[in-house]
Amino acid sequence: EAEVAQSPRYKITEKSQAVAFWCDPISGHATLYWYRQILGQGPELLVQFQDESVVDDSQLPKDRFSAERLKGVDSTLKIQPAELGDSAMYLCASSLAPLGGSIYNEQFFGPGTRLTVL
Amino acid sequence: SQQGEEDPQALSIQEGENATMNCSYKTSINNLQWYRQNSGRGLVHLILIRSNEREKHSGRLRVTLDTSKKSSSLLITASRAADTASYFCASLSGGYNKLIFGAGTRLAVHP
Repeated sequence: EAEVAQSPRYKITEKSQAVAFWCDPISGHATLYWYRQILGQGPELLVQFQDESVVDDSQLPKDRFSAERLKGVDSTLKIQPAELGDSAMYLCASSLAPLGGSIYNEQFFGPGTRLTVL
Repeated sequence: SQQGEEDPQALSIQEGENATMNCSYKTSINNLQWYRQNSGRGLVHLILIRSNEREKHSGRLRVTLDTSKKSSSLLITASRAADTASYFCASLSGGYNKLIFGAGTRLAVHP
């Protein structure tokens, strides 16, 4: 069964360092999402890609976070510099394509990367 | 915060009992979904209910939706220890497939 792959699964870093997370969506899925989940809360969307284009990054802290999906397949999320408050689970999800109205494409989630900033 | 609210925040029951979780959301929706998350893992999609539906069943799961109250409930019948997890509702609105998650309910089912 096809799955969303993420690496690393765990990352410990010191504040002010740079970190990067990688996501490989399910083959053929045009839409890719990065979520941040703080312990005890639900996931919050950081950025959404349609192919290689960003369609929503309204919640991405752009002073320190960046995301790219250069070839419209896998994606990298970077934090530089990391801060203590960035400690969280970073989840990647993918879906076939976003469609308007009431039509929906299920989002499939990867296992996540748990980031700890010391 | 964009997130909806869920209650209770935590629920502890015995195997065989039913578990009910409630969710409220803030904006008009296309559909509402429920996800399960085992400790430290990714989310698994459980069930989706469209805005024009009022009730939906899937196995031991029953979901209701009241769009006038902007609320939904998830009922798990005959719970099992393996149902122990966090459960999140997520509302979908707009044209870009954007999900807004609630804060979740932590369910513990004791053997």
